[in-house]
Amino acid sequence: DAGITQSPRHKVTETGTPVTLRCHQTENHRYMYWYRQDPGHGLRLIHYSYGVKDTDKGEVSDGYSVSRSKTEDFLLTLESATSSQTSVYFCAIANSGFDEQYFGPGTRLTVT
Amino acid sequence: SQQGEEDPQALSIQEGENATMNCSYKTSINNLQWYRQNSGRGLVHLILIRSNEREKHSGRLRVTLDTSKKSSSLLITASRAADTASYFCATDGNAGNMLTFGGGTRLMVKP
Repeated sequence: DAGITQSPRHKVTETGTPVTLRCHQTENHRYMYWYRQDPGHGLRLIHYSYGVKDTDKGEVSDGYSVSRSKTEDFLLTLESATSSQTSVYFCAIANSGFDEQYFGPGTRLTVT
Repeated sequence: SQQGEEDPQALSIQEGENATMNCSYKTSINNLQWYRQNSGRGLVHLILIRSNEREKHSGRLRVTLDTSKKSSSLLITASRAADTASYFCATDGNAGNMLTFGGGTRLMVKP
């Protein structure tokens, strides 16, 4: 894996609680992405970042917020977790918006 | 909505056979990429083909792109059990900074 880690790797939380997932890279890539993967829906983009403090929404951004205060870290926050946010979350990095993306190992989140 | 759609959704073949997966997309693109995902793991980039390219090879992989039909195919030759995985196409479309992934093809290669 290209110097990209996600934490935690597994999390179980209750409906209504806030949750923050962390993506950390050591590759100094400009772009960082958060996806969710669900059966029958493939991989869907939640939010992405094209630089420090520069972020934009993806296809399924409702209920999620992100922050990027430094190049290495991209945080995904579920303000008030719902059962529909139970999913596997992947972070990815890339040098540019048109380049290949490198994926982290994923975080399995269960909201009960 | 998904920009890329893979076909078939699932494919089962014997070791040594070739596997062909197809991807169709809706809008104009700059690049099309193929990724592999082993069960429970993150996606791994396989190959990128630019819109002005028609064919690209990487080891046992051969990718073709037909922009007039808005379609691409991934051929894996002489498949191995280790090729068992899900394969996804991804396009940048008009969005520029992001990729849109298809639903994937689940490939099973039986030893």
